[in-house]
Amino acid sequence: GESVGLHLPTLSVQEGDNSIINCAYSNSASDYFIWYKQESGKGPQFIIDIRSNMDKRQGQRVTVLLNKTVKHLSLQIAATQPGDSAVYFCAENFGQGSQGNLIFGKGTKLSVKP
Amino acid sequence: NAGVTQTPKFQVLKTGQSMTLQCAQDMNHEYMSWYRQDPGMGLRLIHYSVGAGITDQGEVPNGYNVSRSTTEDFPLRLLSAAPSQTSVYFCASSPVPAGEKLFFGSGTQLSVL
Repeated sequence: GESVGLHLPTLSVQEGDNSIINCAYSNSASDYFIWYKQESGKGPQFIIDIRSNMDKRQGQRVTVLLNKTVKHLSLQIAATQPGDSAVYFCAENFGQGSQGNLIFGKGTKLSVKP
Repeated sequence: NAGVTQTPKFQVLKTGQSMTLQCAQDMNHEYMSWYRQDPGMGLRLIHYSVGAGITDQGEVPNGYNVSRSTTEDFPLRLLSAAPSQTSVYFCASSPVPAGEKLFFGSGTQLSVL
């Protein structure tokens, strides 16, 4: 079946720098994408989502970019802080209505150096 | 609101034992689901439900049963535990019919010896 993958399994950045976490998806029918943050020992926490009719969506210090031409999704974190250290998952939904379910990628671990 | 509550947080079973992982949400969400998380595998969907009385299989349903008698509760049953079911289990709910914008519980860490 279709799967969501990540370019980099680990990412280390300096505090204050911007972080970019990438995700590739293979199902061109996917119409919804979402990013989660998971801290050690906790459940995934919603960060931001985007639908396929958009290219960009901004939240507080985070931006998600969607490039449907190359089936690529990215999460940008501005002014990265130590509290941003976590594993980040992207997920896609290519079902319709009640048939849709989120399919998750394997995750990228972000480490922020003080 | 408590959100999504999972119990227990930790459990150790012997091969062949059965048990039920509990999940309850107080957000009146119709959609609920169970995922398992293994190292390097991300989150994989076990079963899901779009409303009371309706359940369906996800990507890895074998060895698990679910039921949805109420909107609030969505228990996951392991029929005969196997070491391959050692994992962290997450329950999630969503305010929309499809599995978008899931709200996750804090997880149950299960070890099968």
